Parts: sequence; structure tokens; C-alpha cells
Amino acid sequence: DIQMTQTPSSLSASVGDRVTVTCRASQSINFFLNWYQQKSGKAPKLLIYAASNLQSGVPSRFSGSGSGTEFTLTISSLQPEDFTTYFCQQSYSNPYTFGQGTRVEI
Amino acid sequence: EVQLVESGGALVQLGRSLRLSCAASGFNLDDYAMHWVRQIPGKGLEWVSGISWNSGSIGYADSVKGRFTISRDNAKNSLFLQMNSLRPEDTALYYCAKDIYSGSQPPSLDYWGQGTLVTVSS
Repeated sequence: DIQMTQTPSSLSASVGDRVTVTCRASQSINFFLNWYQQKSGKAPKLLIYAASNLQSGVPSRFSGSGSGTEFTLTISSLQPEDFTTYFCQQSYSNPYTFGQGTRVEI
Repeated sequence: EVQLVESGGALVQLGRSLRLSCAASGFNLDDYAMHWVRQIPGKGLEWVSGISWNSGSIGYADSVKGRFTISRDNAKNSLFLQMNSLRPEDTALYYCAKDIYSGSQPPSLDYWGQGTLVTVSS
């Protein structure tokens, strides 16, 4: 199975900050990487698919980049509603494993 | 509006069976692949199983292979997960999720239900 490692596991930031979350795959997954946001008590929400494609309705302050084994999710200017948890998921091969999550805190 | 509503979660004993259902509305189910993803509350996400639009392609996580069976009834706008030989480690919130593709491309899950809780006691 492909292992997905997110760093950091948590970070502290302020409104307006630029934040970057990294996801590393244990082997090359080309560009088959998704990012999800999950708020407490809610289902995950798709933010980015295929490494850099912004899902419809997602604010443009979210962006994704990378290929191969290293990927990043960037939030250009943190808003109050962005303080929550983010997960990456590889969609390269079954089983479609997730990272352990990154909690963005104030 | 796309809606996914899971049902069937319960408290069951080790070794018993359970069948989860997901009722889909607001989109044409037979155009999309569907998936089950589980989460221990407060913990990470685990992809459990996925099925293509026509049931022609099915996949499972190793942890459930041979015990769980995914199926769908497009005419009834429904997705199912038959769970046999349940173990305590299967305890989790089970989400039904819609793919943005039909199943011929790598999955990305754009709509999720609110989940149904499965608890397996030993």
C-alpha cells in the first residue's frame, strides 16, 4: 500500500497568514492527489483534485501543487472558517490511502 | 441538490453482520462511481471500498477484503455495503461518497453523506 505522510500534523497561524501543508507519498503517484477539508462533526469536503485542480465552489485562496511524491496545499490568506483539519488522499492505486491529517489552529 | 443519506449503522457483536445503505438523490447515480470511507471519530480517514457506475470495477481495502461486499442498485438510487464477520477494529463512522468520475479514472470524492455509526463489541 502507498503510505501518505502529512506535515506538519498541526500548525498555529493567524487570520491573513499564508499557510502551506505538505503531503509525501511513499512512491510516485504522478499527480493523483486530492485534498479535503473536514470541519468538526462534518463530512470531508473536496478542495483540490488531481494535485492542482480547484473543485467547483472552493475559494481561490486554496491552491495545490506537486507531482511524483511531494505535494503542497497552500491557503494564501487564512480566513476564520479555514481553521480546521485537512487531509490528502492518493488516487493512484487501490487502496486509496489518506494522510493522517493536518490541524490548522489559531 | 445532491444528497447522500446513510443508514443501517448499529451496535453489533463480534462476528455478526450488518448491511449499510446509502440513498442518493439530486444527481444521476448511474453516471458516477461511489465509495465507502470510514473514520474513527476524532481520527483519520480510511477508504473502504469503491464501485464503478456499472459495477464492472470494484475495489476493497485489504482490511475488509473477503468480509465486506459493495453493491449498488442504480434503479433504486442506492449504494450498499454488506459487512460480515465484523471485528472491533471495524468500529467507525461510515461515509458514503460520490466520485466526480464514473469509475474509469482515479477517484475524487466530491459529495459525502453525514455517516452512519457502526460499533462492534467484543
